[in-house]
Amino acid sequence: DAGITQSPRYKITETGRQVTLMCHQTWSHSYMFWYRQDLGHGLRLIYYSAAADITDKGEVPDGYVVSRSKTENFPLTLESATRSQTSVYFCASTSGGVGTEAFFGQGTRLTVV
Amino acid sequence: AQKITQTQPGMFVQEKEAVTLDCTYDTSDPSYGLFWYKQPSSGEMIFLIYQGSYDQQNATEGRYSLNFQKARKSANLVISASQLGDSAMYFCAMGVGGYNKLIFGAGTRLAVHP
Repeated sequence: DAGITQSPRYKITETGRQVTLMCHQTWSHSYMFWYRQDLGHGLRLIYYSAAADITDKGEVPDGYVVSRSKTENFPLTLESATRSQTSVYFCASTSGGVGTEAFFGQGTRLTVV
Repeated sequence: AQKITQTQPGMFVQEKEAVTLDCTYDTSDPSYGLFWYKQPSSGEMIFLIYQGSYDQQNATEGRYSLNFQKARKSANLVISASQLGDSAMYFCAMGVGGYNKLIFGAGTRLAVHP
């Protein structure tokens, strides 16, 4: 299917566990992003990538790791999950041209207990 | 600092009436883009409208229009003829750094009443 997909849609994990959220897009967009959405904060940028093997920190990167070995995939790893990382996570992609919209995945609701 | 401010946590409007959702932004970059996204209760993010900093005319997309006042650094969303399906969370966002990174406001929850 064409588009941008995230998996899993829902995840419950325990404090201290490592968890990876997956993101896959089929448009060959250069730019990919991870955001977290928390009440009262809107969406905040965690990490972004301009191309394969090029990643950079966003506003709230602490506790997260990303990689981008292939253009279409951009996994987000919580190395040791904390309760403060309970959130809804959105992956997005864009071709990066002027005025181009970002396309978002369906979101992953992560609960850390 | 680059920032988006949405001062209305919640708004309500009667069906078929128009509503304006406020958004102000702050950036020193002369080149930027302003976006509005809708998030219904199902959770997905839906792109509504875009305005570039150099665009002379206000953007329109169907029932959506963007009231862009550059001197005031505001980019308000106007929804005309509101429908029940417009009930959702609305986010204003600013694209910087080549329009690639989006900075979001906290959002406004709109309720459309019959």
